Amino acid sequence: SQELEQSPQSLIVQEGKNLTINCTSSKTLYGLYWYKQKYGEGLIFLMMLQKGGEEKSHEKITAKLDEKKQQSSLHITASQPSHAGIYLCGADIGAGNMLTFGGGTRLMVKP
Amino acid sequence: DVKVTQSSRYLVKRTGEKVFLECVQDMDHENMFWYRQDPGLGLRLIYFSYDVKMKEKGDIPEGYSVSREKKERFSLILESASTNQTSMYLCASSPGGNYGYTFGSGTRLTVV
Repeated sequence: SQELEQSPQSLIVQEGKNLTINCTSSKTLYGLYWYKQKYGEGLIFLMMLQKGGEEKSHEKITAKLDEKKQQSSLHITASQPSHAGIYLCGADIGAGNMLTFGGGTRLMVKP
Repeated sequence: DVKVTQSSRYLVKRTGEKVFLECVQDMDHENMFWYRQDPGLGLRLIYFSYDVKMKEKGDIPEGYSVSREKKERFSLILESASTNQTSMYLCASSPGGNYGYTFGSGTRLTVV
């Protein structure tokens, strides 16, 4: 089993709909990073969260880290085809300088 | 902005060939990583390096080796490529601490 679980594994939404992706750990998340990957390309950094209860937004994407620092959510409002891709969470769970990654969520947005 | 450059976006090699995947970062980062990404398996760490000439095995080092002769360059070597090494390879660098990783654009390697 993975130390960082992402759900759902894949998601198909109609353009304009809202959606949420979750990233959960049984361990404390000392730093939580969200990345987006367009198909066949590298990972692009989206946001980083560190403090319990922290929330950050960029354009139509909002990421939150819960108070216990064991779960993060990524929320997209009014999805667009440009949001399609794979979203990965990565976290420092106390393994030194290493990040642990979730399995990714593949998002498809139907026009 | 930090830039991590992978030398090739697409590569096709024959079984048994020696393959070099190059990664260069321009922000003096201490840490560099090589991952492979396969559908349903997520990112799997092959090797990482905390300093020049230093390397550590990740989760799946078999069939691979690495070289870090200079701080900015981290090379992944497939000594004798096999078809099960067909994959997307991603390089990343990090200054350590809570700064996360910066990834390269990836190299999609096909071994035929």
